[in-house]
Amino acid sequence: DGGITQSPKYLFRKEGQNVTLSCEQNLNHDAMYWYRQDPGQGLRLIYYSQIVNDFQKGDIAEGYSVSREKKESFPLTVTSAQKNPTAFYLCASSISMGDEQYFGPGTRLTVT
Amino acid sequence: EDQVTQSPEALRLQEGESSSLNCSYTVSGLRGLFWYRQDPGKGPEFLFTLYSAGEEKEKERLKATLTKKESFLHITAPKPEDSATYLCAAVYNFNKFYFGSGTKLNVKP
Repeated sequence: DGGITQSPKYLFRKEGQNVTLSCEQNLNHDAMYWYRQDPGQGLRLIYYSQIVNDFQKGDIAEGYSVSREKKESFPLTVTSAQKNPTAFYLCASSISMGDEQYFGPGTRLTVT
Repeated sequence: EDQVTQSPEALRLQEGESSSLNCSYTVSGLRGLFWYRQDPGKGPEFLFTLYSAGEEKEKERLKATLTKKESFLHITAPKPEDSATYLCAAVYNFNKFYFGSGTKLNVKP
């Protein structure tokens, strides 16, 4: 069964701690993305990667970091520098940039 | 400037009451228009891709259409299980992707 997995589904952290969200895909897609979704708002792009070992900042990259060492994996680290990290985080992938994106189930991060 | 605007923000229908959701987009440089369905607490589920004016795609009770300045998602005889937020997204030159803020559809039995 091909798809995108994100783990964990729920994550709780104390303020000041870094946290890494996992995203894995077995669709053999080149492009991967991270979005943030806040209540009542649309999706906002954090980072994207067109190919292994390459990634670019999206619209709201401050306080976040990513890596793309393998085609299948695109983890997102939410650092202590992110002012308002509590949100629903969505990972997506597409065959290449500009194609329809397929989303994972999301991770809900709560920082207190 | 918003590239993608969806209306209405929310829509309540009775079961069986057909209607349409609207997605207006900036025309210049459009390469493709996508529709997604999102259930509460879940990731968006891909529904349709449209590339050119006049194109139509159908899936069960849903039909997506594209004109030169907007796209419609027509819902025919909806059922309660069609209740969800429907997202529209557009991709432009240089692969710039824009999502609308969605239309929350509630279908009452």
